[in-house]
Amino acid sequence: EDQVTQSPEALRLQEGESSSLNCSYTVSGLRGLFWYRQDPGKGPEFLFTLYSAGEEKEKERLKATLTKKESFLHITAPKPEDSATYLCAVGPNTNAGKSTFGDGTTLTVKP
Amino acid sequence: NAGVTQTPKFQVLKTGQSMTLQCAQDMNHEYMSWYRQDPGMGLRLIHYSVGAGITDQGEVPNGYNVSRSTTEDFPLRLLSAAPSQTSVYFCASSREGGSYEQYFGPGTRLTVT
Repeated sequence: EDQVTQSPEALRLQEGESSSLNCSYTVSGLRGLFWYRQDPGKGPEFLFTLYSAGEEKEKERLKATLTKKESFLHITAPKPEDSATYLCAVGPNTNAGKSTFGDGTTLTVKP
Repeated sequence: NAGVTQTPKFQVLKTGQSMTLQCAQDMNHEYMSWYRQDPGMGLRLIHYSVGAGITDQGEVPNGYNVSRSTTEDFPLRLLSAAPSQTSVYFCASSREGGSYEQYFGPGTRLTVT
């Protein structure tokens, strides 16, 4: 059974204080690992797809990296508008119909 | 493009009532899915569809029915609402499948009393 564990559950940062979110996963065969951002009261918004160990992707202050067992979402010099819940999901290559999501990390950035 | 739309945004039901949550997408995506999200938790897959006329069960299908008569629409039916079905429901679509990036609707917040 595919599993995704995200840590920490919650993270509070001061504006400009860089940090990382962790996503540990087990999957029978990885088709892709996905990061989403979810604002309160809204649906998740797609951020990145990572396909293989060693791959990195960047968008503004966010950088996602992937190893064979985990992914990190690095946040550099965050701003209050980066406050959101960040969800990680894995899509197996054995069944194109089912992704498994983690419980998310809620990030709060204080000015 | 409107993307993925869901109606209603909010709904209150009494135990035993039935209702249909509507979902539509205008991106010509073959894959559509329904998730529920409970407080402090991630998304759990209820049902999904890989194309018109094809549906399958996800992780938590009990108490829910789906059908897919067109590419655009994927309604979720609650047969006899129970308090345990109080949750936020999200519909999503993907160009290629559930193992690819998905695009989500704004959600329906359902309360069953």
